[in-house]
Amino acid sequence: AQSVSQHNHHVILSEAASLELGCNYSYGGTVNLFWYVQYPGQHLQLLLKYFSGDPLVKGIKGFEAEFIKSKFSFNLRKPSVQWSDTAEYFCAVAGGYSTLTFGKGTMLLVSP
Amino acid sequence: NAGVMQNPRHLVRRRGQEARLRCSPMKGHSHVYWYRQLPEEGLKFMVYLQKENIIDESGMPKERFSAEFPKEGPSILRIQQVVRGDSAAYFCASSPGTGGSYEQYFGPGTRLTVT
Repeated sequence: AQSVSQHNHHVILSEAASLELGCNYSYGGTVNLFWYVQYPGQHLQLLLKYFSGDPLVKGIKGFEAEFIKSKFSFNLRKPSVQWSDTAEYFCAVAGGYSTLTFGKGTMLLVSP
Repeated sequence: NAGVMQNPRHLVRRRGQEARLRCSPMKGHSHVYWYRQLPEEGLKFMVYLQKENIIDESGMPKERFSAEFPKEGPSILRIQQVVRGDSAAYFCASSPGTGGSYEQYFGPGTRLTVT
């Protein structure tokens, strides 16, 4: 069975700081990986996804993630965060029938 | 194109009552997924349905929970005889196909509170 582990439950940063959120997964099959974001009061939105090819994936709003197969990792990065990036971030892996297995989420608070 | 719709957004039920959660997928999407988010937890897969078929219900509790996606109308997640532990946010997602390359689009969720 697949599993996803997110290292930090809460992260607090100042605006313009760099961000890296860790995600490790366990899955025996072909890997499809996702990062979703949930802004306060809103529904989950897809930030970026990896299916194959270039392991460095660019997403919306300046986010990117790197798939490192040898480390079973898919860490999310952003060079300079903004106050509007305050949200909860979920890493997920797609298994059979595309069902998603999510990590517990990381709550990011960006102070102005 | 309207997104995934869920209603109600908030639902309060007393212990022992029934809860019915509705999900209308995006236009053109015939695959529906239900997830549950408990406090301090990530989303957990419950059930995957296509029109008139349950494809994977491995995440559904064995008792009191059922789901359907009829030929016409929204998908329904039904919880009978609710208990306090059912209090959670229930999210529905839809996709146009199956397979890891298809993105799932999420609805706003239904927050169920059992008193």
